[in-house]
Amino acid sequence: DTEVTQTPKHLVMGMTNKKSLKCEQHMGHRAMYWYKQKAKKPPELMFVYSYEKLSINESVPSRFSPECPNSSLLNLHLHALQPEDSALYLCASTPDQTAGYGYTFGSGTRLTVV
Amino acid sequence: KQEVTQIPAALSVPEGENLVLNCSFTDSAIYNLQWFRQDPGKGLTSLLLIQSSQREQTSGRLNASLDKSSGRSTLYIAASQPGDSATYLCAPEGDSNYQLIWGAGTKLIIKP
Repeated sequence: DTEVTQTPKHLVMGMTNKKSLKCEQHMGHRAMYWYKQKAKKPPELMFVYSYEKLSINESVPSRFSPECPNSSLLNLHLHALQPEDSALYLCASTPDQTAGYGYTFGSGTRLTVV
Repeated sequence: KQEVTQIPAALSVPEGENLVLNCSFTDSAIYNLQWFRQDPGKGLTSLLLIQSSQREQTSGRLNASLDKSSGRSTLYIAASQPGDSATYLCAPEGDSNYQLIWGAGTKLIIKP
């Protein structure tokens, strides 16, 4: 298995809802990432989980909350989002955060906040 | 701070042409450089990964070169096809923080 699988592919949620995005990989990679991508812009790094240690981009608001139940699974919990949070959310993994062996990305979740 | 520039921002050519997409970066202290393809509204597909010790990588009709000292990488696409239409992103990986720094991308349209 050489893929990063993201679910759901599309999500529409209200500003008072709580939802979660899921990311899974079975390549034995030890580092996983969440990126946010707005239209016609490059991806922006939100969170890094490496060997069960979380690194946060300090500009990411607290309404986004990552969770790593195990080394193959990375969730992104969403609560009280704003319309400007509508974007494509991408998950990625690498063998090791320091290995430099290249990133594998998932197909993304298209999130719309109404 | 690393800055990545991709030229051109957009390119539209007839099918069959050979193309060169350019990527320049300001900090030569990189671990590797990765080229990605992105179709509209979709995720990122890795095309080629060049380690800092390498000069080029090839995959099918794609060839990527890296000149780390001058801060440049090129993606060469041979015999372009309409299916090559997508946005191409280059992303060097810093050798201190091991994170990707992104260019703004080149939007490529191949006309049948």
